[in-house]
Amino acid sequence: DQQVKQNSPSLSVQEGRISILNCDYTNSMFDYFLWYKKYPAEGPTFLISISSIKDKNEDGRFTVFLNKSAKHLSLHIVPSQPGDSAVYFCAASSGGYQKVTFGIGTKLQVIP
Amino acid sequence: NAGVTQTPKFQVLKTGQSMTLQCAQDMNHNSMYWYRQDPGMGLRLIYYSASEGTTDKGEVPNGYNVSRLNKREFSLRLESAAPSQTSVYFCASSAGTSGAFETQYFGPGTRLLVL
Repeated sequence: DQQVKQNSPSLSVQEGRISILNCDYTNSMFDYFLWYKKYPAEGPTFLISISSIKDKNEDGRFTVFLNKSAKHLSLHIVPSQPGDSAVYFCAASSGGYQKVTFGIGTKLQVIP
Repeated sequence: NAGVTQTPKFQVLKTGQSMTLQCAQDMNHNSMYWYRQDPGMGLRLIYYSASEGTTDKGEVPNGYNVSRLNKREFSLRLESAAPSQTSVYFCASSAGTSGAFETQYFGPGTRLLVL
């Protein structure tokens, strides 16, 4: 049973447009959410996070939105750049730093 | 600043063979982790170490053992490899002193093929 779901395996976006990556979760105990980015042959790198006490967190071109009632979060990238082409993982934690549940990832392709 | 390093990058084993995956971090982090990534699945935690000298099981520990050799190094051992252990293995670390969730820093991964 996947507690963190990324239902879109891939997404293509034109350079300069907005990329929206979605993530749904089922465990209401999750209270901290993260996005990681992964390039081929590299490990995931942290991108942005949000606590359940917030509904939005912004860092430059990246914004994460959290809708607790819908158990849904999204990552917005504006404007999208070719260097953003990567696999994006959504992750969630219920507070214990030793246990994080990852989604299966969404592959983003930004077309020049 | 190397961050998290893993060796080897790629390994082929025959069923029943043993091997140790090495991981080291130079960020003076307290916590270290081992994950595996399989096609169609998210990263799954195998073992973690919250501090030097301690280790605990994660979600999928069967078939693996770990050693936190010192603060820098955390190794993962497969005593008798099985084809089901074919995967990409990632080591990660975090500053992790209070138990609250912190950003994890990942190594580049080890691709393991068990025939």
